[in-house]
Amino acid sequence: DAKTTQPNSMESNEEEPVHLPCNHSTISGTDYIHWYRQLPSQGPEYVIHGLTSNVNNRMASLAIAEDRKSSTLILHRATLRDAAVYYCIPYNYGQNFVFGPGTRLSVLP
Amino acid sequence: DSGVTQTPKHLITATGQRVTLRCSPRSGDLSVYWYQQSLDQGLQFLIQYYNGEERAKGNILERFSAQQFPDLHSELNLSSLELGDSALYFCASSMRGGAFTGELFFGEGSRLTVL
Repeated sequence: DAKTTQPNSMESNEEEPVHLPCNHSTISGTDYIHWYRQLPSQGPEYVIHGLTSNVNNRMASLAIAEDRKSSTLILHRATLRDAAVYYCIPYNYGQNFVFGPGTRLSVLP
Repeated sequence: DSGVTQTPKHLITATGQRVTLRCSPRSGDLSVYWYQQSLDQGLQFLIQYYNGEERAKGNILERFSAQQFPDLHSELNLSSLELGDSALYFCASSMRGGAFTGELFFGEGSRLTVL
């Protein structure tokens, strides 16, 4: 399983963009980069995933470095509901889907 | 609503006892994952099943066992319970129709308290 490094916590103001970084320098060439988040008192929920190219969906954007050793989850306009723990998970089917400590995002009104 | 159902939502029991947690995956999903989340350990991967067969194993104690039945629901059995087993246990499912889309769908969890 590839090792990841994320900041323990980050703060953002409401309606401002948030960039959540993740280092995964030991990622293998076939691992996708998955991002999940866990809102308080809920199970984790999928946010986005990608392999090499940047990805966008209705929740967020994922920017992947050219060498794939790092990625950044971008929330374009943070809302109070985005306050959660965000997990970056390199994964290829057949491995263990392992969550690290993640980044606790606080959103200030 | 993720479509994954876990029962019971809350369970209180005593040390030394045995409990069974149940998970019904999202309709059509063939794979089930179990996770344990305690305050000091974060989300710990326990085990994964695919269509009834064990697919991957994480930090699951020997006192714990799981299985996936032909109707694809899964059960996690915890025995000889200790205080430290108190945690939230999450089930997730994926692989609708056998295809992995990159997304795991999590249930709301079963909160186990061991007194």
